[in-house]
Amino acid sequence: RKEVEQDPGPFNVPEGATVAFNCTYSNSASQSFFWYRQDCRKEPKLLMSVYSSGNEDGRFTAQLNRASQYISLLIRDSKLSDSATYLCVVTGGTSYGKLTFGQGTILTVHP
Amino acid sequence: NAGVTQTPKFQVLKTGQSMTLQCAQDMNHEYMSWYRQDPGMGLRLIHYSVGAGITDQGEVPNGYNVSRSTTEDFPLRLLSAAPSQTSVYFCASSYSKVSTGTMITDTQYFGPGTRLTVL
Repeated sequence: RKEVEQDPGPFNVPEGATVAFNCTYSNSASQSFFWYRQDCRKEPKLLMSVYSSGNEDGRFTAQLNRASQYISLLIRDSKLSDSATYLCVVTGGTSYGKLTFGQGTILTVHP
Repeated sequence: NAGVTQTPKFQVLKTGQSMTLQCAQDMNHEYMSWYRQDPGMGLRLIHYSVGAGITDQGEVPNGYNVSRSTTEDFPLRLLSAAPSQTSVYFCASSYSKVSTGTMITDTQYFGPGTRLTVL
């Protein structure tokens, strides 16, 4: 079983739609959780951290469920510019710098 | 700040050749890492370093060496290139912080990547 699993998609949604991605992780000792965004042929960039209480940044909402070991990302009112690959990222319990990535979920927003 | 820089951007090697991918950061981050990204595999950790003089293996270290003589630089060496090492390589650096609770967060900043082809 992979340490971090995501539905690779692709998700094809119209502008204005709401779309949700889920991610599961296997290491119960994981401490920090993130969503990164990667545009085609570019480096990953941090979209948002994920906190146990849930957090929101504009149209983006992230949730963490430690009991079920899953993370979610909700995008409301999708824009064309949201088209990208979204990477679920988890850090281990003992090494701050060691991130484990999911394979990514591809989102395409069309007019 | 330049952030994280990588050179070269593109490289073509023949099987058996060696080379060094350069990575530098000017953010005084303690933690630096190398990843490779292959289609359908996501990013996989090759080696990482928690500070100058300290390195450790990641998920796929075979065929690669690293050293960390300074905080700023973290070069990745391919000892004898193989076609299986054709990939996109990303270097990253990070800081850590303690929030008001007990959570510790890490934000990793990535370089622009090196696209390597081994023939």
